[in-house]
Amino acid sequence: GAVVSQHPSRVICKSGTSVKIECRSLDFQATTMFWYRQFPKQSLMLMATSNEGSKATYEQGVEKDKFLINHASLTLSTLTVTSAHPEDSSFYICSALTAKGTDTQYFGPGTRLTVL
Amino acid sequence: QKEVEQNSGPLSVPEGAIASLNCTYSDRGSQSFFWYRQYSGKSPELIMFIYSNGDKEDGRFTAQLNKASQYVSLLIRDSQPSDSATYLCAVPSSGTYKYIFGTGTRLKVLA
Repeated sequence: GAVVSQHPSRVICKSGTSVKIECRSLDFQATTMFWYRQFPKQSLMLMATSNEGSKATYEQGVEKDKFLINHASLTLSTLTVTSAHPEDSSFYICSALTAKGTDTQYFGPGTRLTVL
Repeated sequence: QKEVEQNSGPLSVPEGAIASLNCTYSDRGSQSFFWYRQYSGKSPELIMFIYSNGDKEDGRFTAQLNKASQYVSLLIRDSQPSDSATYLCAVPSSGTYKYIFGTGTRLKVLA
């Protein structure tokens, strides 16, 4: 099956620092990846769509200068939370489409971010 | 606004029973439908997808789709305590690959 990894799985940082989260497709090439955020007991909230070689498309209300997304290769997308604050503490999950024309998303294991 | 609705539960069933999870959607143009399972503190895991009206079976899981009624369901036969999780219904928004998620139904299988 399609495997998506994320690194790190957990990160704790101080307020004001930046944190980079990596999302990798291990056994396929992903032209499109998605970044979600999930707060406790809530459903997933789509933050942005990441397309290889082009700028990410952000959902309404998501600050693109705060959540920097780079999709530099067909197997790697990164999300950088800049100047993190405690309210950015959340579970960040990426997903990937396995190929063009398919709509099945495979999710990474998630990254739990805690900002002190 | 396109919507996907699920009963949040919890739905409690005894071990060995059939669990029935339901989902309705508002976009008549939707073509594909996905069920994911999410354990507490973990990311969603794909259970199955369905594109055509009728039933699709995979092991203990059966997805049922009725496009006329805009209704998709997931049946879990011989429910096990390990099936206790939140089940998410996801429908790609027409013309995009972005999912619209239901709020999820929390299933509890009682031993």
